[in-house]
Amino acid sequence: SQQGEEDPQALSIQEGENATMNCSYKTSINNLQWYRQNSGRGLVHLILIRSNEREKHSGRLRVTLDTSKKSSSLLITASRAADTASYFCATDADQTGANNLFFGTGTRLTVIP
Amino acid sequence: DAGVIQSPRHEVTEMGQEVTLRCKPISGHNSLFWYRQTMMRGLELLIYFNNNVPIDDSGMPEDRFSAKMPNASFSTLKIQPSEPRDSAVYFCASSFLSGSGYEQYFGPGTRLTVT
Repeated sequence: SQQGEEDPQALSIQEGENATMNCSYKTSINNLQWYRQNSGRGLVHLILIRSNEREKHSGRLRVTLDTSKKSSSLLITASRAADTASYFCATDADQTGANNLFFGTGTRLTVIP
Repeated sequence: DAGVIQSPRHEVTEMGQEVTLRCKPISGHNSLFWYRQTMMRGLELLIYFNNNVPIDDSGMPEDRFSAKMPNASFSTLKIQPSEPRDSAVYFCASSFLSGSGYEQYFGPGTRLTVT
């Protein structure tokens, strides 16, 4: 299966601390994306990093990608209670004509006020 | 834009009944995806369409499941007959097929309970 695996499965931190989530995948990719899902809602796209990029920033988010290790990390700095959600990585199929994504199992982040 | 619209938001039905879930993608998007999410299996891709044509339905669990996309602005996922193990949240997502990556926009989901 191409499905990614997030680590840890659950993470609980105090407001203001940084949160780091990791994702590992199995096959070659064109890009990797991170999504957030609030309880009872659909997933929301956060950031996309291409296979030729090593790091990308967006606001308080920092994503790294190591294609040699087939892994990525998402860092949320100065966390807020509103960051409480599940976070998923998603990879593409690196296959001509295919535009589906493979989602990981998610990390459940709880930020305690 | 209102985003991806799904209906109904909640559906409770008895085993054996037919269930139809509906999705309206974002205007201008040409790819549409149906997912199922459960605690046990996580987020599973059921089927996706490009330009209204089904591309990959290998995730459809059984013949009881069928999906259609008669035009660019509407898709349905039908379960007939429904079973308790079909209980899950079903998401529809859409994206614009391009060479620069495939960011997907998700609807709010339909929570299906089959008793």
